Amino acid sequence: DTGVSQNPRHKITKRGQNVTFRCDPISEHNRLYWYRQTLGQGPEFLTYFQNEAQLEKSRLLSDRFSAERPKGSFSTLEIQRTEQGDSAMYLCASSLAVGDTQYFGPGTRLTVL
Amino acid sequence: LAKTTQPISMDSYEGQEVNITCSHNNIATNDYITWYQQFPSQGPRFIIQGYKTKVTNEVASLFIPADRKSSTLSLPRVSLSDTAVYYCLVGPYSGNTGKLIFGQGTTLQVKP
Repeated sequence: DTGVSQNPRHKITKRGQNVTFRCDPISEHNRLYWYRQTLGQGPEFLTYFQNEAQLEKSRLLSDRFSAERPKGSFSTLEIQRTEQGDSAMYLCASSLAVGDTQYFGPGTRLTVL
Repeated sequence: LAKTTQPISMDSYEGQEVNITCSHNNIATNDYITWYQQFPSQGPRFIIQGYKTKVTNEVASLFIPADRKSSTLSLPRVSLSDTAVYYCLVGPYSGNTGKLIFGQGTTLQVKP
C-alpha cells in the first residue's frame, strides 16, 4: 500500500504524559500537513511542511506541541504534558505540491485520561 | 477564505440519487470547489473538484452554476456504504500554504 500511513492508530495516555505520533506520507510528496479533528467537527489545520521546512503553524498549536520532518520524508508530532483537551483524532495528509489533492492517512486517535 | 454552508444532515435510501448543495457566496475568482468524504475513524478522502459547469468522475458529479455561488455534489444510486460525512471546501487553499479549511460537513445516512 502506497498511501499515507500513521502510527499508532490509537493512543491512550494519562494527563501530563508526553506522546509522539508518526506520519509516513506518500513517497515523493513534498508537502505534509497535520490536522486535528474533534468529535462532530471537520478537521482543523495545525501545521505543514514543505520538504523538511515547517512553514506555518496554526494558533491551535500551543508550545506543548512540536512537529518535525527531519529528512523531508516521515514526520512526527509530539505533545508534551498532555491535557484532556488534547483528546482528538490527529490526521496527517500529503500532497505533491501546493494546490494538489491532499491524501489523508487513517489518523491517530488520542485519548487523554 | 470563502465560507461554505451546507446542510448538517441528510437521509436517503439505497438506490436513490443524492444531491448535496453547498453555498459559497463569497467565492473568489481563483477559488476551486472540492468535496471530500469521510467515514468514521478514517481520514477524509478526495471525491471531486471543479471550477465551473459540470465535472464527472467514476464516483460523483459536481454541478456549478455560472455565478459559482453554490455547487451541488451528486451521488448516483447510493448504497449503504455511502453513509459518511461529506465536506465542501473552496479556495486556492489559503494562499501558498495549501491548507484545507473544513466546515462541519453534511452527514449522509443511507437507509436500506
